[in-house]
Amino acid sequence: EDQVTQSPEALRLQEGESSSLNCSYTVSGLRGLFWYRQDPGKGPEFLFTLYSAGEEKEKERLKATLTKKESFLHITAPKPEDSATYLCAVQASGGSYIPTFGRGTSLIVHP
Amino acid sequence: NAGVTQTPKFRVLKTGQSMTLLCAQDMNHEYMYWYRQDPGMGLRLIHYSVGEGTTAKGEVPDGYNVSRLKKQNFLLGLESAAPSQTSVYFCASSYGQTSYNEQFFGPGTRLTVL
Repeated sequence: EDQVTQSPEALRLQEGESSSLNCSYTVSGLRGLFWYRQDPGKGPEFLFTLYSAGEEKEKERLKATLTKKESFLHITAPKPEDSATYLCAVQASGGSYIPTFGRGTSLIVHP
Repeated sequence: NAGVTQTPKFRVLKTGQSMTLLCAQDMNHEYMYWYRQDPGMGLRLIHYSVGEGTTAKGEVPDGYNVSRLKKQNFLLGLESAAPSQTSVYFCASSYGQTSYNEQFFGPGTRLTVL
């Protein structure tokens, strides 16, 4: 059974204080790992897809990295507008291609 | 493009009442999904569809039914609502069996069952 564990559950940062969110996964062959951002009262919004270990992707202050067991979402010099819940999902190769989601990390960035 | 839309945005039901949530997408996606999101539980998959006329059970299907009569629409039905079904419901869609399988989510439906 595919499993996704995100840590920490919640993270409070000061503006400009860089940190990382973790997504650990167990899957029988990774097809893709997805990161989403969810603002309060809204649906998740796609950020990145990573396909193989060693891959990195960046968008503004966010950088996602992938190893064979986990992914990190690095946030550099965050701003209050980066406050959101960040969700990770994995898609296994073979089968129905239905992603499995983690429970998310709630990030609050204080000015 | 409107993307993924959901109707209604809010609904209050009494225990035992029925209702249907409508999801529509205009991206010609093959796959569509219904999730519920509760505090501390993350997104839980209720049902999904891999194409027009198909449906399959997800992680928490009990008490719900779905239909995908048209490719662009995915309906979620509650035949006899229970307080445990109070939640926020999200619909999503994706291309399907390709590498570009990121999901596009709707804005959500907040359902309260009294």
